[in-house]
Amino acid sequence: KQEVTQIPAALSVPEGENLVLNCSFTDSAIYNLQWFRQDPGKGLTSLLLIQSSQREQTSGRLNASLDKSSGRSTLYIAASQPGDSATYLCAVRAIQGAQKLVFGQGTRLTINP
Amino acid sequence: DVKVTQSSRYLVKRTGEKVFLECVQDMDHENMFWYRQDPGLGLRLIYFSYDVKMKEKGDIPEGYSVSREKKERFSLILESASTNQTSMYLCASSLIQGKYGYTFGSGTRLTVV
Repeated sequence: KQEVTQIPAALSVPEGENLVLNCSFTDSAIYNLQWFRQDPGKGLTSLLLIQSSQREQTSGRLNASLDKSSGRSTLYIAASQPGDSATYLCAVRAIQGAQKLVFGQGTRLTINP
Repeated sequence: DVKVTQSSRYLVKRTGEKVFLECVQDMDHENMFWYRQDPGLGLRLIYFSYDVKMKEKGDIPEGYSVSREKKERFSLILESASTNQTSMYLCASSLIQGKYGYTFGSGTRLTVV
């Protein structure tokens, strides 16, 4: 059974810092990995989608990497801003199990002005 | 802009009521999903559908049913609402091909009193 773990559960950093969020998964048989952002009481917004054959994806100040063989992904946020404060979730789309997304528990990020 | 639309942001229902949560997508996606999200438990899959009139149980289907009469619409039904079904409900859709990501709606916050 696929399991996804995100570390740390919560992170608080001062504005302007670069930071890394971690995601690990137990089964490397995946189609892709997706990073989402969730603001309090809201739905999920997709940030980046990395295919299993890719090593990284970039969007603005965000960079996500994928090492499928070791079951790890990182989300790098450059020059953090208070508006980046949110919960960040990673999810893998498994080849087995009807292609459903399996989520980590999320990292709650706070950027202090 | 492509969308997944959930009909209600907030709902308050009484114990024992029959509750319908509606979700519509305009992307011609084959797959549609219903998740619930609770603090400390993360996102859990309730039901999903990969085609019209097709449905599959997720991890926590008890107390729920679903309906998919048209490709763009996926309804979650609480036959007799209970207080332990108070939660955030999130609808998502995706193309059936594994390389594509998921798109989520903005969520419905359901309170059962």
